[in-house]
Amino acid sequence: AQTVTQSQPEMSVQEAETVTLSCTYDTSENNYYLFWYKQPPSRQMILVIRQEAYKQQNATENRFSVNFQKAAKSFSLKISDSQLGDTAMYFCAFGGATSGTYKYIFGTGTRLKVLA
Amino acid sequence: DAGITQSPRHKVTETGTPVTLRCHQTENHRYMYWYRQDPGHGLRLIHYSYGVKDTDKGEVSDGYSVSRSKTEDFLLTLESATSSQTSVYFCAISAPGTGTTSGANVLTFGAGSRLTVL
Repeated sequence: AQTVTQSQPEMSVQEAETVTLSCTYDTSENNYYLFWYKQPPSRQMILVIRQEAYKQQNATENRFSVNFQKAAKSFSLKISDSQLGDTAMYFCAFGGATSGTYKYIFGTGTRLKVLA
Repeated sequence: DAGITQSPRHKVTETGTPVTLRCHQTENHRYMYWYRQDPGHGLRLIHYSYGVKDTDKGEVSDGYSVSRSKTEDFLLTLESATSSQTSVYFCAISAPGTGTTSGANVLTFGAGSRLTVL
């Protein structure tokens, strides 16, 4: 069974600084997707970034980038030039097929606070 | 939000009563999911559906049942609610395997339903 582990329950960063959130996962599948979702206090789940496992190039979305290490099963999120609006809960997620059906498994989340 | 709505958004009920949460989508996506979110546990999969009348259990399915009689609707039922089922419930949809466009394989969420069981 697939698992996703986020080992940092809480983190803080000064505004305009860079922060990296860690995520590791376990799977025996070769084709899958990895995601980072953001959940602000509004409770809405917002997709931050997506990575296809078959792509070696790390995904980037503006100030957000990932470090995808497939062999190590590691998928960290780097937030550059942190802004107050980045304060949120961040979830790492794995999406892949198991026994012919597609499931998404989430980590327990990292609460990020950006300090002014 | 991306054509997915959950109802009710808030519900307070008493132990032992049945509760049904509804998820409705207008995206015609094949897959629909129900998750619960609890502090310290992240999002845990309850049940999911990969087509009309095709459903399967997730990691925390005990005490829950689901039904999908139409592509657009996915119902989550608590037959006899317990206090341990107090949570925020999220419905989500996806269209996996539909290509490599930016939307393919992405899980899109509803706004969530907060359920309190007294």
